[in-house]
Amino acid sequence: AQTVTQSQPEMSVQEAETVTLSCTYDTSESDYYLFWYKQPPSRQMILVIRQEAYKQQNATENRFSVNFQKAAKSFSLKISDSQLGDAAMYFCAYRTDNNDMRFGAGTRLTVKP
Amino acid sequence: DTGVSQDPRHKITKRGQNVTFRCDPISEHNRLYWYRQTLGQGPEFLTYFQNEAQLEKSRLLSDRFSAERPKGSFSTLEIQRTEQGDSAMYLCASSLWREATDTQYFGPGTRLTVL
Repeated sequence: AQTVTQSQPEMSVQEAETVTLSCTYDTSESDYYLFWYKQPPSRQMILVIRQEAYKQQNATENRFSVNFQKAAKSFSLKISDSQLGDAAMYFCAYRTDNNDMRFGAGTRLTVKP
Repeated sequence: DTGVSQDPRHKITKRGQNVTFRCDPISEHNRLYWYRQTLGQGPEFLTYFQNEAQLEKSRLLSDRFSAERPKGSFSTLEIQRTEQGDSAMYLCASSLWREATDTQYFGPGTRLTVL
């Protein structure tokens, strides 16, 4: 069964600094998709970035980038130039062959002014 | 607003009552997903539809839960004989399934409290 592990329940970063959120997953599949979602307090989940496993190039979306290490089954999210609006729960997710998403338990990111 | 919408946003009910939630996906999306999220956890998959067909159900979806998407547009999730353990946020997501690319967009959720 596919599982997703986020080992950092909470992280904190100073405004304008860089922070990296960790995610590991377990799968026997070779082709799959990985996602990072952001869930601000009392607000809906928003897609941050996605990565196709067959692509070697790491995905990037503005200040957000991933470090995808397929062999290590690692998928970390780097947030550069952190802003106050980045404060949220961040969920790493894996899309299975059955097309359902498996989510990690989340990392709560605090941004200090 | 053309995003995913859910109704109601909050529901308080007494144990043993039935509740029904509605989800309206993004209009051109052919897939619709239901998830349950408890406090401090990530969402857990419940079921999904492609058009009106229910293609996958999690073992989390007990016999008291039923979901429908009769015309391939909006969907309903009904919980019969609610229990306190059903208290959670119920999230709906939709996606456009095309050539194996499938990014899910989430609604704001329905928060259920069972007293």
